[in-house]
Amino acid sequence: GAVVSQHPSRVICKSGTSVKIECRSLDFQATTMFWYRQFPKQSLMLMATSNEGSKATYEQGVEKDKFLINHASLTLSTLTVTSAHPEDSSFYICSARDQRSYGYTFGSGTRLTVV
Amino acid sequence: QKEVEQDPGPLSVPEGAIVSLNCTYSNSAFQYFMWYRQYSRKGPELLMYTYSSGNKEDGRFTAQVDKSSKYISLFIRDSQPSDSATYLCAMSVGPTGANNLFFGTGTRLTVIP
Repeated sequence: GAVVSQHPSRVICKSGTSVKIECRSLDFQATTMFWYRQFPKQSLMLMATSNEGSKATYEQGVEKDKFLINHASLTLSTLTVTSAHPEDSSFYICSARDQRSYGYTFGSGTRLTVV
Repeated sequence: QKEVEQDPGPLSVPEGAIVSLNCTYSNSAFQYFMWYRQYSRKGPELLMYTYSSGNKEDGRFTAQVDKSSKYISLFIRDSQPSDSATYLCAMSVGPTGANNLFFGTGTRLTVIP
């Protein structure tokens, strides 16, 4: 089945620094990938839609300049959390849809802790 | 009112029990219904995918959709400790477009050996 690889799985960074998270579709091409944020005991919140070769589409309330998304190829999207602050600490998950199957395939998630 | 409502639990059952997980929704336009399983510190994995009303069975898992009541269920038979996870329902109007995919808050299930 479709596989989405996400790295790193855990990262701890200092306040004010930037962190890059990678999301790769391993066995299919994804013109569109999606980035979610999940707080403890809460559901997934869509942050943005990453479009290959064009600008990402951000959901209302998500800061474009803080969460930079790049989708440079059909198998890779990156999310960069810039000037991270403790309130950015969360679980970030990407997903993509393989046209050959139903539903969406999710990455394993990245737990970001900003200290 | 949220688009999708799901009891967060937690739900604890003994091994071998039948588990019933449920979601209700308000948008009658939803046509595609999914159940995801999420283990701690992992991304969700798709368990079941159904279109419109009816039942779908896959091994120990059965998904039911009742569009007239705006109610979906996931049944797990002969539950195992390995089923311990958070189960998220999700639904959408169309088959594509994650910006139209609505998730429940998830139900945390623990199966006790």
